[in-house]
Amino acid sequence: NAGVTQTPKFQVLKTGQSMTLQCAQDMNHNSMYWYRQDPGMGLRLIYYSASEGTTDKGEVPNGYNVSRLNKREFSLRLESAAPSQTSVYFCASNTRPNTEAFFGQGTRLTVV
Amino acid sequence: AQSVSQHNHHVILSEAASLELGCNYSYGGTVNLFWYVQYPGQHLQLLLKYFSGDPLVKGIKGFEAEFIKSKFSFNLRKPSVQWSDTAEYFCAVNAYSDYKLSFGAGTTVTVRA
Repeated sequence: NAGVTQTPKFQVLKTGQSMTLQCAQDMNHNSMYWYRQDPGMGLRLIYYSASEGTTDKGEVPNGYNVSRLNKREFSLRLESAAPSQTSVYFCASNTRPNTEAFFGQGTRLTVV
Repeated sequence: AQSVSQHNHHVILSEAASLELGCNYSYGGTVNLFWYVQYPGQHLQLLLKYFSGDPLVKGIKGFEAEFIKSKFSFNLRKPSVQWSDTAEYFCAVNAYSDYKLSFGAGTTVTVRA
């Protein structure tokens, strides 16, 4: 049972570079989410996808784009990385808003 | 949009001490309430959740939380902590049918053996 799988686990980027964080879930969940975790700020929602074919902005969407590729996969793209995007990124999924969200192991991203 | 406040940033306890972590939220409608735990180097895991019914909720590993609607609070408790409870604890809230789950800043709990 893999649950929610994120790749890569670690990444260092130079300012201005682009990259895509991948997320896949094998629990047949409808909804998927991308969060960033910063010290003293908890987790903040970047984007979410309530169901396949839909995406919506969360609390901190600027500088990011997402793609819900299919029901299993939800990717997060940084088009032009900035040092302010240095963070730990978590993907999560659940069935409905009032159900447990399952989280991936996280991607630690450093932008220099 | 709702906001979530966790009162303590860092709590240090000795084993067998009791733990209570405060959580308040700012939304007047029906809410879903969660406590998640993040052990060092691991991803977030659900400790317990409240949607409706008995306001005293029991979760895994001996944790419980009480929903007090009039105080907009959902405090987490454990009568006797263990060294293995060292972790960061997050309170999270969303409106009943809202996909946007808001997290508190987290409380780091250190349990001394």
